[in-house]
Amino acid sequence: NAGVTQTPKFRILKIGQSMTLQCAQDMNHNYMYWYRQDPGMGLKLIYYSVGAGITDKGEVPNGYNVSRSTTEDFPLRLELAAPSQTSVYFCASRMTENYGYTFGSGTRLTVV
Amino acid sequence: RKEVEQDPGPFNVPEGATVAFNCTYSNSASQSFFWYRQDCRKEPKLLMSVYSSGNEDGRFTAQLNRASQYISLLIRDSKLSDSATYLCVVNTYNAGNNRKLIWGLGTSLAVNP
Repeated sequence: NAGVTQTPKFRILKIGQSMTLQCAQDMNHNYMYWYRQDPGMGLKLIYYSVGAGITDKGEVPNGYNVSRSTTEDFPLRLELAAPSQTSVYFCASRMTENYGYTFGSGTRLTVV
Repeated sequence: RKEVEQDPGPFNVPEGATVAFNCTYSNSASQSFFWYRQDCRKEPKLLMSVYSSGNEDGRFTAQLNRASQYISLLIRDSKLSDSATYLCVVNTYNAGNNRKLIWGLGTSLAVNP
């Protein structure tokens, strides 16, 4: 099993550009999450999904969108990138709410 | 009061030492608890879940104290490879009685030769 795979690992965007961060898991987990982690800050939940076709906002959803058309994939879309979106983005999945997360290796995004 | 609080450290200990971290949480209805470790510039990795009766995994022992609303992580015989940030995670409920996961900011551990 590959676990949770995130692409790309690094990206530099210009202000106003858009991009999609990809996340795929092969563990048949229903629950998937997108977090961002800023230096010295805790993980902040952006969006999450409890199953295919279902998504919900987390703490910091503004400027992002997600979709969950399959169990495996949970892409995160950034529209009109802003410097405040410079961060490390982690995708995670888990079987149920009582299990721990499996994280992807992260995407380091810089908006200039 | 923050929902989940950890001493940021850093804790500097020599190899072989025993070190303990605490993590306090504010919501008494919190259900499940976890410890993760995060190496510099890497993703968090699940270290262990924390059970009501306490649990041990090799050199690591996790305990839950519901009365005082904290969890602890004890590391015995510290190794250089234990150097990392240890994140406390609490599964709790928000105002709408929906579950949410709260992450602590982490405790930094440096094990020195």
